[in-house]
Amino acid sequence: NAGVTQTPKFQVLKTGQSMTLQCAQDMNHNSMYWYRQDPGMGLRLIYYSASEGTTDKGEVPNGYNVSRLNKREFSLRLESAAPSQTSVYFCASRQAIYGYTFGSGTRLTVV
Amino acid sequence: KNEVEQSPQNLTAQEGEFITINCSYSVGISALHWLQQHPGGGIVSLFMLSSGKKKHGRLIATINIQEKHSSLHITASHPRDSAVYICAVRTNTGNQFYFGTGTSLTVIP
Repeated sequence: NAGVTQTPKFQVLKTGQSMTLQCAQDMNHNSMYWYRQDPGMGLRLIYYSASEGTTDKGEVPNGYNVSRLNKREFSLRLESAAPSQTSVYFCASRQAIYGYTFGSGTRLTVV
Repeated sequence: KNEVEQSPQNLTAQEGEFITINCSYSVGISALHWLQQHPGGGIVSLFMLSSGKKKHGRLIATINIQEKHSSLHITASHPRDSAVYICAVRTNTGNQFYFGTGTSLTVIP
C-alpha cells in the first residue's frame, strides 16, 4: 500500500541513549517532515526536507538531527535522549498541490 | 502566541447533527489543511484549501482568505466521525507550517 512507513511504533529510552527514527515514503513526494505532538500543543515541526539533499530546521530542532538519505527516506536521530523528548513523533510527506500523508507515529518515552 | 486558533476545543454531538469546527489564523498563507487524527493516533489529510470551498462526502471545508478563517462542516454526523480535527496553515513566506491544537469531536449514538 502506498504511504508513509514509520518505525518503530513504540520505544523506551534511557536518558542519554541515542536512537534513529526511520521514515520512508513510496509516493515519490519531494517534501518530507518530522513533527512532534505533545499534549495540549499542536504538531510542531522539528525538521523538514523540501527535496532530496536538503534539510532545514523547523520550530523545535534542538536535540535532533536528520538525514534525507534519498528521495524515499528521511530519518530523525536523537543523539542523547532527554525526558523532554518524550513525545509522539510523526513523519509526513507532501507533494506540491496535494495534502499531507502521515506515518502512523512513534510513541517515544525517555526515562 | 498561536498563529492558528481552533474552536471549540471539545465538541460532543448527537448522531445526525450538523457540526462546525472553526479555524482562525494570523499569518499570510498559501494553503490551509484540515487533518483528522483517529483515536488510535493516525493522521489523515482531509482537505487542502487555498480558496473557496471543497466537499468530500459528508465533509465540507470553506475558507475566507480576507477574514483569515476556515470552517470544517460535517453533515449527518456519525460516531465514526469521532476524532480530533486539526487545522494547519502553510505560510506564503518562508515555507513555515503552523498547526492548531485540534478540536476533539465525540459523536454519541
